[in-house]
Amino acid sequence: EAAVTQSPRNKVTVTGGNVTLSCRQTNSHNYMYWYRQDTGHGLRLIHYSYGAGNLQIGDVPDGYKATRTTQEDFFLLLELASPSQTSLYFCASSAGNYAEQFFGPGTRLTVL
Amino acid sequence: GEQVEQRPPHLSVREGDSAVIICTYTDPNSYYFFWYKQEPGAGLQLLMKVFSSTEINEGQGFTVLLNKKDKQLSLNLTAAHPGDSAVYFCAVSPDTNAYKVIFGKGTHLHVLP
Repeated sequence: EAAVTQSPRNKVTVTGGNVTLSCRQTNSHNYMYWYRQDTGHGLRLIHYSYGAGNLQIGDVPDGYKATRTTQEDFFLLLELASPSQTSLYFCASSAGNYAEQFFGPGTRLTVL
Repeated sequence: GEQVEQRPPHLSVREGDSAVIICTYTDPNSYYFFWYKQEPGAGLQLLMKVFSSTEINEGQGFTVLLNKKDKQLSLNLTAAHPGDSAVYFCAVSPDTNAYKVIFGKGTHLHVLP
């Protein structure tokens, strides 16, 4: 049973559209992360959270909001999507302090 | 803050040959280091977690070396096979924030039969 799941797996929207990416983890981990993966940049951290209701800003937060509703669920929101946000998005969870991260399968987002 | 450089970005080797990927980091106080493997269409999977006190770590078919003097982490696949074809990422936990990792940009390894 996959411990980190993401939905949808693929999404196409138009410029200015509203998109929500969902992530659920069953690892009982406190920490959850949203990354984007782009050729030539590797993985870049957008937002992360250490528990329900908590949000920490990552390294590339502009244009993204996030919300952690429960320990299991972390959402990434693009309220006015732009073509520059076309990317592969990964969610991950970890137990915290210096711990390895467990990744979901990714969501490929295309903004036309 | 911590910066991680990974090289090479692309690597092609023949089956049975070795493949070496190197990451260089900047924060001398970094404690934990990770190697992840990403197969096509999938998320990243942990290959190995390395603590700063251990210089040589052996896995199944690969060795991870940590050279703290040169601030360098390397992954050596000793006899590559086509199943090793994937993108490999190093990651470093900086001293300033134990809950984040800084990823290298990845190495796309292609093992030719």
